Amino acid sequence: DIHMTQSPSSLSASVGDRVAITCRASESIGNYLNWYQQKPGKAPELLIYAASTLQSGVPSRFSGVGSGTDFTLTINSLQPEDFATYYCHQTYSTPRTFGQGTKVEI
Amino acid sequence: QVQLHQWGAGLLKPSETLSLTCAVYGGSFSDNYWIWIRQSPEKGLEWIAEIDHSGSTNYNPSLMRRVIISVDSSRNQFSLKLSSVTAADTALYYCARGMLSVAFAVDYWGQGTLVTVSS
Repeated sequence: DIHMTQSPSSLSASVGDRVAITCRASESIGNYLNWYQQKPGKAPELLIYAASTLQSGVPSRFSGVGSGTDFTLTINSLQPEDFATYYCHQTYSTPRTFGQGTKVEI
Repeated sequence: QVQLHQWGAGLLKPSETLSLTCAVYGGSFSDNYWIWIRQSPEKGLEWIAEIDHSGSTNYNPSLMRRVIISVDSSRNQFSLKLSSVTAADTALYYCARGMLSVAFAVDYWGQGTLVTVSS
């Protein structure tokens, strides 16, 4: 199995901050990396797919970069609705594994 | 608008079989693949299995001996069976859609079913 490691596990930030979350794969996954946002009581929502492509309807303050084993999700100018948990997810091979999540708190 | 609606028993006893079904409304059933994912505090998000419209499957090896995923393309539905459940299978189970043409990303999720295994 490909192991996905996110860092940090949690972070505290303020509205307007720039936040970066990293995800490292235990082996190369090309650009088969997706990012999700999950709020309490809700299913995850797709933010970015193929490492850097913004899903339709997602604000442009979200961006993703990376390939191979190292990936980063950046949120520019954090908004109140962005406080949530973020997950990376590799779809390069099965089983399609997730990172452990990064909780973004106020 | 794509919607996934799932249903199934939420309370099971150890050794019973978990059975969930997901109906897909809208979008193309044949151009995507169909997934079961579960979430628990202990294991986080865990991919269980996936299937396409023709019945081609992939399973998580950690669950493979106990899991069956099936599809009914005529009804745009797919199902999950997990046998011999234990307390470790207690989790929120989601059905979801994966995009075959877009890095297999998961773009739609069901509402989730909380499954509790307890004697």
